[in-house]
Amino acid sequence: EIVLTQSPGTLSLSPGERATLSCRASQSVSSTYLTWYQQKPGQAPRPLTYGASSRATGIPDRFSGTGSGTDFTLTISRLEPEDFAVYYCQQYGSSTWTFGQGTKVEI
Amino acid sequence: QLQLQESGPGLVKPSETLSLTCTVSGGSITRSRYYGGWVRQPPGKGLEWIGSIYFSGGTYYNPSLKGRVTISVDTSKNQFSLNLSSVTATDTAVYYCTSGFAGWFDPWGQGTQVTVSS
Repeated sequence: EIVLTQSPGTLSLSPGERATLSCRASQSVSSTYLTWYQQKPGQAPRPLTYGASSRATGIPDRFSGTGSGTDFTLTISRLEPEDFAVYYCQQYGSSTWTFGQGTKVEI
Repeated sequence: QLQLQESGPGLVKPSETLSLTCTVSGGSITRSRYYGGWVRQPPGKGLEWIGSIYFSGGTYYNPSLKGRVTISVDTSKNQFSLNLSSVTATDTAVYYCTSGFAGWFDPWGQGTQVTVSS
């Protein structure tokens, strides 16, 4: 089973700053199957990027995903007030899906 | 645009079976390459994949749930269901149904709180 480890656990930033979130896999993940989600309190997760770097419908271009192999990154170029939330990476491989433990982006 | 809605009891007794249904609207679930999935989130914790069912055939479960999970589909009702047996307090969570293809999940239901307590 592939384990995804996200860091940091919490990121304390201000609006306008750049956020860099990391997702490291215990073994190689196909970049086609690496997805980032955003979750706000009381809401279901919503996908931000899929295939490691493609943005989902309606996601602003300040969100970008990069990476390959075992190291993936979600970057938010300039934080907007609505971006303060919890972010999860998720991978699919060998008919198994796993999530990272999440990174909270707080003010 | 697919929409998903979970339904089922909000309270389940320990050792009993948790049963939830996901009703899909806005399209047929029989599209090839698509799957339905269940994901849960214990209070204050992260997301845990429970299992997935390909609507064209095939079910896959989280090994950590040790054979307690069954996911099935009823194409005539455009629904898929989750059964989780022998529940304990650690199964208390918000349960989400979701759908997707190519390895990711979108859209998601709003989630339903299930509490395991006597």
